[in-house]
Amino acid sequence: GEDVEQSLFLSVREGDSSVINCTYTDSSSTYLYWYKQEPGAGLQLLTYIFSNMDMKQDQRLTVLLNKKDKHLSLRIADTQTGDSAIYFCAERGGAGSARQLTFGSGTQLTVLP
Amino acid sequence: EPEVTQTPSHQVTQMGQEVILRCVPISNHLYFYWYRQILGQKVEFLVSFYNNEISEKSEIFDDQFSVERPDGSNFTLKIRSTKLEDSAMYFCASIQGSSGNTIYFGEGSWLTVV
Repeated sequence: GEDVEQSLFLSVREGDSSVINCTYTDSSSTYLYWYKQEPGAGLQLLTYIFSNMDMKQDQRLTVLLNKKDKHLSLRIADTQTGDSAIYFCAERGGAGSARQLTFGSGTQLTVLP
Repeated sequence: EPEVTQTPSHQVTQMGQEVILRCVPISNHLYFYWYRQILGQKVEFLVSFYNNEISEKSEIFDDQFSVERPDGSNFTLKIRSTKLEDSAMYFCASIQGSSGNTIYFGEGSWLTVV
């Protein structure tokens, strides 16, 4: 079945850039998503990218997609303490289908002052 | 911005009891989902629902689970006889249509089985 992998932990200093990486196996993935989860809270959609794009920028967030290597990354510029959270990568495939998301295990981002 | 709402936010129940988790998807959305997240683990797909029937379900979604859309707005997940291992955060989600690109999640319902 489909699989999505992420590293579990990342620590950065406030003001630095954070890069969270994700790999996936489903070559038919059409949309790839980044969700943020703060402690005890729900899943907040940060951004998504369609599989025919290489890059998407949204304010401090930059998503890079390497479809050949099935590698997705999320870069957060000027990381703030409020960015500390778990970040989930998720993929969804099958054009025209309402197939469910497959999530990675999440990367715990810790921003140090 | 439209949102998916879930109730209760937290429920504690005794093992063997029935639990119903409620969700109100976004009003013009057609596809609905339940996911769960056991503490510290991945978010896992349970079931998808479209046109008043289950579209897909995972192996987690066994006979103890059922879903229903009892009226035009609510979407419920019922666990018939809860087990300790059902303790998790349950997320409801919805999407406008099959080609929609944004899946909206609710805030989740924490279920603790004791």
